[in-house]
Amino acid sequence: QSPLTQPPSVSGAPGQRVTISCIGSSSSIGAGYDVHWYQRLPGEAPKLLIYDDINRPSGVPDRFSASRSGTSASLVITGLQAEDEADYYCQSYDSGVRGSVVFGGGTKLTVL
Amino acid sequence: QVQLQLWGAGQLKPSETLSLTCAVYGGSLSGYYWSWIRQSPGKGLEWIGEINHRGSTNNNPSLMSRITMSVDTSKNQFSLKLHSVTAADTAVYYCARVTKWYRDYWGQGSLVTVSS
Repeated sequence: QSPLTQPPSVSGAPGQRVTISCIGSSSSIGAGYDVHWYQRLPGEAPKLLIYDDINRPSGVPDRFSASRSGTSASLVITGLQAEDEADYYCQSYDSGVRGSVVFGGGTKLTVL
Repeated sequence: QVQLQLWGAGQLKPSETLSLTCAVYGGSLSGYYWSWIRQSPGKGLEWIGEINHRGSTNNNPSLMSRITMSVDTSKNQFSLKLHSVTAADTAVYYCARVTKWYRDYWGQGSLVTVSS
């Protein structure tokens, strides 16, 4: 079981909006540690999608946005496109049990 | 543009040592930590550890006793050794650059299979 909990899968039709949740704990997201999001397209290495909770690296479309509240965070994709079909992972830090970088289990986004 | 290229043995037997090296192109090792991450079949990403150009390391507590990381600044490379592997160590292994607390550049991934 991953330290950060994500839904195994989400889906949406082109043009729709989808949300991927990332649930942590009081020693990770709830403690104020930044949340980062990665996109892994089929057959490729993960790519940084969102850093420091809400920021997009250069080249990432503004269709991708993120937020956090309490012990959880969310990635929102609007105007869904076929090329968004990928695995998405959240990442933070957990200060419990001697501290560790932690990832979510990943969410498979299917564009219908 | 920073690029990371990863290589190492893809097939191991139980109790052997996994050895991977990641070369960094288009940037220096200095000023960053360099990370190892893996993904076992059917599971999420797992942080293994990271090292900076001076050799300072941070490790996953659950793997710390079996990990050796090193850096070769003359070759702009960093390496991972995972000792006493078992089938549970079968995974795709990635190397990545760390900026603050996120991984902004990743290598392509290398499948390591542990089987007798």
